[in-house]
Amino acid sequence: SQTIHQWPATLVQPVGSPLSLECTVEGTSNPNLYWYRQAAGRGLQLLFYSVGIGQISSEVPQNLSASRPQDRQFILSSKKLLLSDSGFYLCAWSGAGANNQPQHFGDGTRLSIL
Amino acid sequence: AQSVTQLGSHVSVSEGALVLLRCNYSSSVPPYLFWYVQYPNQGLQLLLKYTTGATLVKGINGFEAEFKKSETSFHLTKPSAHMSDAAEYFCAVIPVSGGYNKLIFGAGTRLAVHP
Repeated sequence: SQTIHQWPATLVQPVGSPLSLECTVEGTSNPNLYWYRQAAGRGLQLLFYSVGIGQISSEVPQNLSASRPQDRQFILSSKKLLLSDSGFYLCAWSGAGANNQPQHFGDGTRLSIL
Repeated sequence: AQSVTQLGSHVSVSEGALVLLRCNYSSSVPPYLFWYVQYPNQGLQLLLKYTTGATLVKGINGFEAEFKKSETSFHLTKPSAHMSDAAEYFCAVIPVSGGYNKLIFGAGTRLAVHP
């Protein structure tokens, strides 16, 4: 069966520091991959999605970037964190091909910026 | 653009009572429809989905949802609430003509269950 892993589960970082969050998927090949941010008390905002290695689409302009160095690895990064980057970050995957496949989510990373 | 409306950001029910969480979509062409549940500090878990076929869909944990094209709705129900159902629930859609399985989420409904 397929599984998705995100780490770390929680992270406290000072303003201006770099960020790297990692997500890996097991048990499937060539998945679509997604990064979301969920601010406190708000819904989910799609940040990036990827349909293949090295292929990244950004949904909103921001201080973050994403990379997909391997088929089942998706990384969210920042060179200098802002206070507004605080939130709950979720990685998800879906099967490629048909457009009706649900997304499956990791357990998330709680990021606090001080 | 496609949008998803969840009526009621907070719903409170008594244990054993009916749960009804409302979801409406905006497009004239019915999208693919999903309900997710999120427990505190966890990711989202798929409850159920409608893509084609029977309009009454059964999901996990005793939940079900009915797709009603005439009402552009996909409301989530459970006959008898349990304390463990307290969580946030998200309705989401994928437009049929869209790509890459990109979900459009509603704002969520927080369900509280009282003894």
